[in-house]
Formats: sequence, structure tokens, C-alpha cells
Amino acid sequence: DSGVTQTPKHLITATGQRVTLRCSPRSGDLSVYWYQQSLDQGLQFLIQYYNGEERAKGNILERFSAQQFPDLHSELNLSSLELGDSALYFCASSGGTFYEQYFGPGTRLTVT
Amino acid sequence: DQQVKQNSPSLSVQEGRISILNCDYTNSMFDYFLWYKKYPAEGPTFLISISSIKDKNEDGRFTVFLNKSAKHLSLHIVPSQPGDSAVYFCAASARNYGGSQGNLIFGKGTKLSVKP
Repeated sequence: DSGVTQTPKHLITATGQRVTLRCSPRSGDLSVYWYQQSLDQGLQFLIQYYNGEERAKGNILERFSAQQFPDLHSELNLSSLELGDSALYFCASSGGTFYEQYFGPGTRLTVT
Repeated sequence: DQQVKQNSPSLSVQEGRISILNCDYTNSMFDYFLWYKKYPAEGPTFLISISSIKDKNEDGRFTVFLNKSAKHLSLHIVPSQPGDSAVYFCAASARNYGGSQGNLIFGKGTKLSVKP
């Protein structure tokens, strides 16, 4: 158990819909990262937050957005969903002087 | 363009022998390297890491070697056990502004099979 929790574990929705994925980092970790793993792309970085502020962006679509709240949990919002958004979405956290990122179990999103 | 490459999609090793997984990178700004183990439909599990100021880091059966001049790192598992069978990802990171660790750039992974 990494200490990072993600909900829900599975999500099935239709094209055009909007969903919210939730992540709670390890206790004390200030940084939260979101990654997408699709079948043919491997693990791709989406966005990073550090203590409530956006710190870095990867190949995140404009239809996707995220935020980190004062209690440090984070939410990833995916809107106008397309079939190609079906993937595993992972949250990771890190903190202090340690560079290791610890990953949650992921949310499997299926868009039908 | 892939900044982190794992050129071997799979590796098969006999139990008790050494497993060597390789990784190459192109970005000289990377200052931290990590190995993760992953089972299907689970999150990556951190295994071992190495800073760019070191050339070796050891943790039990796992040792990571870094050759900066060649931009190459490797993970050695000795002795290999059937429970080590999984996909292994190499990842690299650089600091972003403010000094916090940046995002991880992952290789495509190597599937290790350890046969009894």
C-alpha cells in the first residue's frame, strides 16, 4: 500500500460526458502528479500540483483540468469525453526532499 | 521523441540467476532516475532510485547502476525470483522551477519473466 488513494476504481461513461477523478496523496506530501496510461502510449504525464499551485503541465488536453485543494487532495476533471480517453489514470505524490513518487492504484475509465 | 528508452520489451530469466534490465536516456538535464515495478491494472510500485551524482545504489537484491557519460542505467536483480515477474519501468526526472521534483518521464517498460 503506497498510501495514495484514488476514487473511483472504475468508471464507465458515455461520450460527451464529464467525470471527476479524485486523489488523496500520502500524508505530508505536497506534490501531486497525474498520469495517463493507455494501451499504446505507456505512462504519460498530464499535470503536477505543488501545495495548491500548478507546477508543470505535460500533454494534457484542453478538455482536461485539475486542481489541488487546501487539504492537498486533488481532482482531475475530464470533459467532453471521447472514446480515446479510455485509459488508466494514475495519481502519484511526493514530498520534502525525497524524489520518489508513490502511485495510487489508478482509476480505470471506460468511455462507451 | 522518446527521452527514456527501454529497448528490450521482454526478458526471460531462470530462477536464481541475475536479471539485468537496461535503460537509455537522452536528456542531460535529468538528475534523478527511478525503477518501478508494475502488475497489470495496478499502480507502479517504487523499487529503487539513484541520483545523478552517484553511479551505484543498492537495496537488497536490487542494484541500479548509472553511467552518465553513456546516458545509460541498468537494474540488476540477484537472485531472481518468480515473484519478480512483472513489467519494469525506468523513469527519469529533473527539477522544475522552485526546486521541486518534476514529473517522471517513463520508458515503455520491459516485461520480466522469471521461470522456476
